[in-house]
Amino acid sequence: EDQVTQSPEALRLQEGESSSLNCSYTVSGLRGLFWYRQDPGKGPEFLFTLYSAGEEKEKERLKATLTKKESFLHITAPKPEDSATYLCAVQAGGSRLTFGEGTQLTVNP
Amino acid sequence: DTEVTQTPKHLVMGMTNKKSLKCEQHMGHRAMYWYKQKAKKPPELMFVYSYEKLSINESVPSRFSPECPNSSLLNLHLHALQPEDSALYLCASSQEGPGRGYTFGSGTRLTVV
Repeated sequence: EDQVTQSPEALRLQEGESSSLNCSYTVSGLRGLFWYRQDPGKGPEFLFTLYSAGEEKEKERLKATLTKKESFLHITAPKPEDSATYLCAVQAGGSRLTFGEGTQLTVNP
Repeated sequence: DTEVTQTPKHLVMGMTNKKSLKCEQHMGHRAMYWYKQKAKKPPELMFVYSYEKLSINESVPSRFSPECPNSSLLNLHLHALQPEDSALYLCASSQEGPGRGYTFGSGTRLTVV
């Protein structure tokens, strides 16, 4: 059974204080690892797809990396508007996504 | 068009009512999904449609009835719901096959009274 564990559950940062979110996974035959951002009461917004160990992707202040067992979402010099819940999901065979519990990020001005 | 559109955005219904949630996409995606999300929890898969055929039903109670009239539309018919069914209902779509990310709609906030 595919499993995804995200840590920490919640993270408070000061504006400009860089940090990383972790996503550990157990899956048989990873086809893709996905990062989403979700604002309260909204649907998840796609951020990145990573397919193989060693892959990295960047978007503005966010950078996602992937190893054989985990993925990191690095946030550089965050701003208050980066406050959201960040969800990690894995996909093995077929199109089903298995989500982690998410990390709730708060960036204080 | 790169969006998944869900209507209504909010719905309040009684336990004896019948209502429907609607989802539409025009990205040519052939897989469509219904997810249920409770507060501070990740989305939980309910149903998967692939090429307009139901391919996965995650043992969802029969008071939830999905329908896929065509490749662009997905409905979720609701009947005799319970207060614990109150949640954010999310529709998503993707290209068929592994390695394809989902595009989510903004959801329908359902309250059962």
